Amino acid sequence: DTGVSQDPRHKITKRGQNVTFRCDPISEHNRLYWYRQTLGQGPEFLTYFQNEAQLEKSRLLSDRFSAERPKGSFSTLEIQRTEQGDSAMYLCASSLGDRDHNEQFFGPGTRLTVL
Amino acid sequence: QKEVEQNSGPLSVPEGAIASLNCTYSDRVSQSFFWYRQYSGKSPELIMSIYSNGDKEDGRFTAQLNKASQYVSLLIRDSQPSDSATYLCAVQISSGTYKYIFGTGTRLKVLA
Repeated sequence: DTGVSQDPRHKITKRGQNVTFRCDPISEHNRLYWYRQTLGQGPEFLTYFQNEAQLEKSRLLSDRFSAERPKGSFSTLEIQRTEQGDSAMYLCASSLGDRDHNEQFFGPGTRLTVL
Repeated sequence: QKEVEQNSGPLSVPEGAIASLNCTYSDRVSQSFFWYRQYSGKSPELIMSIYSNGDKEDGRFTAQLNKASQYVSLLIRDSQPSDSATYLCAVQISSGTYKYIFGTGTRLKVLA
């Protein structure tokens, strides 16, 4: 399978715990994005990388959230001191990074439940 | 005003009919527009992208873009029950950023 992959697919945690999610983009894609989606809403942008550089981060994103893409390949999203409001589907997407075409392809998502 | 607006639906159409899904956006400099299909519990799947005014056809799907009216639509011809899903409109709102702004989606029901 050469699509975007995410791990884990489901995560249940207790409030106050830290969680980390991993995303592996399509191999030739140099842009990687993280979105969050709650029920009945469209995906909400969190952050994106071009290669290893984090180029943009949502102003709405709490300091408890951090993302890395250390070698320009896979990325991790960490949430510290989770809260019940963090419960959502966390989606990763990647794109080829051609200036004229920026079609983003999504992975299957990680569903987080904070108890 | 939201940056990308869609009617949440549900939009119900009979099998074989044309489904018309609409999206408006607020940023006049937006250049790139995308339609995604999302089945319940699954992640969004790209259906169409459109960058220029006019129509773009791909199989049973036609995307229409009118930048002057800040309006993009998706037509689904010969709708099938398997088309029942939520359709998300996404806009890359300006140059210099590659993030998408999504609408809340329109839920489509195709009745057999």
